[in-house]
Amino acid sequence: QSALTQPASVSGSPGQSITISCTGTSSDVGGYNYVSWYQQHPGKAPKLMIYDVSNRPSGVSNRFSGSKSGNTASLTISGLQAEDEADYYCSSYTGSSTLVVFGGGTKLTVL
Amino acid sequence: EVQLVESGGGLVQPGGSLRLSCAASGFTFSSYWMTWVRQAPGKGLEWVANIKQDGSEKYYVDSVKGRFTISRDNAKNSLYLQMNSLRAEDTAVYYCARDNLSGWNFDYWGQGTLVTVSS
Repeated sequence: QSALTQPASVSGSPGQSITISCTGTSSDVGGYNYVSWYQQHPGKAPKLMIYDVSNRPSGVSNRFSGSKSGNTASLTISGLQAEDEADYYCSSYTGSSTLVVFGGGTKLTVL
Repeated sequence: EVQLVESGGGLVQPGGSLRLSCAASGFTFSSYWMTWVRQAPGKGLEWVANIKQDGSEKYYVDSVKGRFTISRDNAKNSLYLQMNSLRAEDTAVYYCARDNLSGWNFDYWGQGTLVTVSS
């Protein structure tokens, strides 16, 4: 099971919106509505930001939103803030022996 | 408050063994699937293994099958990962994570424990 494909880096200015893509196959992203997104600051544990494609856990800002079209999922962050600068990882259920696969991660820089 | 605290990491020689533990508190441990996720230095996240609430189902990433064993003790609110025949490529921070009840995502994570496999 290959890792999901994410851009290595994205950037944006404070107040702007950015979108991070996560491309898989029909065996993972495209086959199930079990895509999640995690935020990880340096030296810290990951934090769940979006689950089941578009649901936000309690306490996560509504500036974060998720969507999916075919084999590609997307995380959009609106109204960028300095604190959003972090690494972001997508993940998906696969239905195979490797139950969950992650993307390679995207480094978000807030300019 | 949900807390997950890993321990047991350290330096081990190739071919050696290590047992990681994760102490859970602040929630009904026996009601949740639990998962281990690892992150090699400077690399991305990798799902390693998970275990059902009663321990009756366990799943592993192909690269650790036959070498790692996930287990749990619900009476002690603890999750374990027994790692045998360790290789250099197993070097990583290992995170314990709680599976969200909606399934296939992880809503709480520990701080991680570093495992270094080197001679």
